This record gives sequence, structure tokens and C-alpha cells, in this order.
Amino acid sequence: AQKVTQAQTEISVVEKEDVTLDCVYETRDTTYYLFWYKQPPSGELVFLIRRNSFDEQNEISGRYSWNFQKSTSSFNFTITASQVVDSAVYFCALSEANQAGTALIFGKGTTLSVSS
Amino acid sequence: DAGVTQSPTHLIKTRGQQVTLRCSPKSGHDTVSWYQQALGQGPQFIFQYYEEEERQRGNFPDRFSGHQFPNYSSELNVNALLLGDSALYLCASSSGQGIYGYTFGSGTRLTVV
Repeated sequence: AQKVTQAQTEISVVEKEDVTLDCVYETRDTTYYLFWYKQPPSGELVFLIRRNSFDEQNEISGRYSWNFQKSTSSFNFTITASQVVDSAVYFCALSEANQAGTALIFGKGTTLSVSS
Repeated sequence: DAGVTQSPTHLIKTRGQQVTLRCSPKSGHDTVSWYQQALGQGPQFIFQYYEEEERQRGNFPDRFSGHQFPNYSSELNVNALLLGDSALYLCASSSGQGIYGYTFGSGTRLTVV
């Protein structure tokens, strides 16, 4: 069965601190996709990154970086030098591509609070 | 370029009533998915529509039904509302199977009293 676990419910940091959000997933498929979304108070889910199961290269985009490790079924997200605008709920999600459809299975989310 | 548009933004209904939520996908997208997000939880997949047919369904009762129109817009209908149906309902659109990511709307906040 598919499952995404985000063990950290809430994280509070002070501006300029680095923070890592953990994500552990379960799937029986060899082909799958992993996503991170940000949900600000407005409610809209904002796409951050997509990674397929065959690409284990880490990725950096500005202050954001992602570490994908198939050996531990983890897809962690690090924000460097956090800012107040990073405060939001962050969701990790999994999609298996060999089904008729491509439903996203979300974790319960991690609420990040960045104070100035 | 308009993203995903959902209406209404907020809605209050009485237990037992029926409700219809609407979604217009992002321009160029042909697939629409619906998610239910209870307070403090991650979104839960309800169903996905492609070419006007339900392609995939999550673990939701038959009270939840949907429709996709030729212009790719979609409706989510919920019959016999329960208090537990109170949630944020999110619509997501994608091109094809969505493996390149989905674009989400801001949601409809449904409150059942």
C-alpha cells in the first residue's frame, strides 16, 4: 500500500536558521513520483518540486534543496537561511504512475513557523 | 494565465442537504482531480476525471459524485451531507496523467451545520 509519513507535525525556527522537513514513503512500485507542495494560509497548494523514482540526484533551487534516497525511502526538504515568508504547511506526496489514474497520496503535513 | 478557479470560496449547508462545487482547470489542462482536506490533515483524493469520465476513485462513498464537461471544467456533488463532510475541497488540474505536477485551486471551504 502507498503511504507517506511526515513525522514532524510542527517546527518553529528563527529567521536565517536552516530547517529540514522529513518525508518517508512506502510503495511497492518501481516507478513512482514524489512531490513537495507548500500551503500558505490562503489554502492553495503551491507546487515546489517533482522527482521520479529513477532520478536520485539531489536538487537545489535557490534556498531550497531536496535529498532523495531510495535506500531509506526518504525525500527530505531543506530550507537554507529561512525567512518569515517560508511560514506555511508543507506536504510531501507520492504518485504511482502505473495506474489508470495518478492520484496523489499526501502526508499529514509539517507546519513551519519562522519568526523574525 | 488563469490558474485553477473554484467556486464558491465558502459555503454553509445544513446536514442532509446536497451541494455542488465547481472547478475550472488551468488553460491547457484536460484532467481534473478533487481532494478533501479536513482541518489539520493532508488532502485526501476523491476522484479524477479525464475525457469526461471518472478515471480513478479514492475511498469515498457514493454520496460523492462528479462530472466533467467538454470544456474540461468539473463539478463535485455531495448528497446527504454529514457534519464530517465539513472540509476544504481542493480541485487540481493537470495535463494528461499529471506526472509533471498538478496545479491546485484555492479551494471551497464547506461547513455543514
